[in-house]
Formats: sequence, structure tokens, C-alpha cells
Amino acid sequence: DGGITQSPKYLFRKEGQNVTLSCEQNLNHDAMYWYRQDPGQGLRLIYYSQIVNDFQKGDIAEGYSVSREKKESFPLTVTSAQKNPTAFYLCASSIDSLYGYTFGSGTRLTVV
Amino acid sequence: AQRVTQPEKLLSVFKGAPVELKCNYSYSGSPELFWYVQYSRQRLQLLLRHISRESIKGFTADLNKGETSFHLKKPFAQEEDSAMYYCSPRDQAGTALIFGKGTTLSVSS
Repeated sequence: DGGITQSPKYLFRKEGQNVTLSCEQNLNHDAMYWYRQDPGQGLRLIYYSQIVNDFQKGDIAEGYSVSREKKESFPLTVTSAQKNPTAFYLCASSIDSLYGYTFGSGTRLTVV
Repeated sequence: AQRVTQPEKLLSVFKGAPVELKCNYSYSGSPELFWYVQYSRQRLQLLLRHISRESIKGFTADLNKGETSFHLKKPFAQEEDSAMYYCSPRDQAGTALIFGKGTTLSVSS
């Protein structure tokens, strides 16, 4: 069953700690993306990767980091430098953005 | 900056009424445009894309380059259409999608 999987669904962390969100796809898509969804804000692009071992900053990359060592995987690390990390994080993949995205089910991160 | 505007935060209609969810984008040229939908407790999914000019679940969207709009329309709303809708143009670099803030559509009987 092809798809894109985000884990965990819910994540709680203490302030000042780094945390890594997982995103895996078996759709053989080249491109992967991370968005942050806040109420009333829509989706904002954090990072994207169009090919293995390459990634680009989006509009709100500060305080986040990513890696793309495998085609299937695009983990996002929320670092302690991110001033307001509590949010819903969405991962997506595509053959090419021209054809639209397939989204994961999201991870809700709460920092206490 | 490239921007997309969905002016209505909430749109409430009765079942059977026509629906129009507005979307305007800020840049020139011919962007590729999409509408995404998020039903309650489901993941965000593609509803339709301009490039394929298809009609999904009775929804259509026409690109108006003069008005830089891509409004989503349906002639007769159904209760199962209640969801959050996002308009999404591809950015001018052609690398990623930009999303509006979304419009919640509520259809009641």
C-alpha cells in the first residue's frame, strides 16, 4: 500500500530540547516537503528537497534542519532555536510539484 | 512576494445552494494552480488541479488571468462537502506550492 507516513502522531517535548519528526514515503517520489500548519495561517513551507542529498530552505526555515540521505526519507529536526515550535507539521511528496502533492497525516508537536 | 489570498475564513451555505470559494494570487504569468481539501480527521488531499481541467465531486475552478483568480465553484452544495479548502499556486520558481490560509465550508441541511 503506497503512501507517505509521518511519525509520531503526537509529540511532547520540553523547551530547549531538539526533536526529530519522521517522514517516509514509498511512492518513489523525488521531491519531499515540510510545512507548518498553524490555525488561521494556512501552510507555510519550512524546507524542501527535490533530490537525494539536496535540500532548500523555505519561507520559515529558521530553527529547523533537515536531511535527505535516502529518497524515501526526509526527517525534520526542530531545534531549540525555533522560538515557537508548538504546531502541526505536515510532510508531503511529489513526482514534481506540477502534479501536486501527496500529504502525510501530520505530527502535532507540543513544547512545554 | 508571491501571495495567495482566500478572503473568506468561513463560508456557510445550505444544502443545495451554489458555492463559490474565492482565491486570488499575487503574481503575473500562468501559475499552475490547485485546490486541496481537508475533511474532518482526514489528511489533506488534492481536490483538483488547473492543468488537468477536471471536475472532481462536482467542483470546478476556472483560471482568470485578468483578475488573477482561481475560484472554486459547485452548483449544488452537499453536506459532505463541509471541510477546509486551500487554494495553492505553484511558486514562480516551479519548486513548491504556496498555500492560502484556507476557507472552512460548512454546509447545513
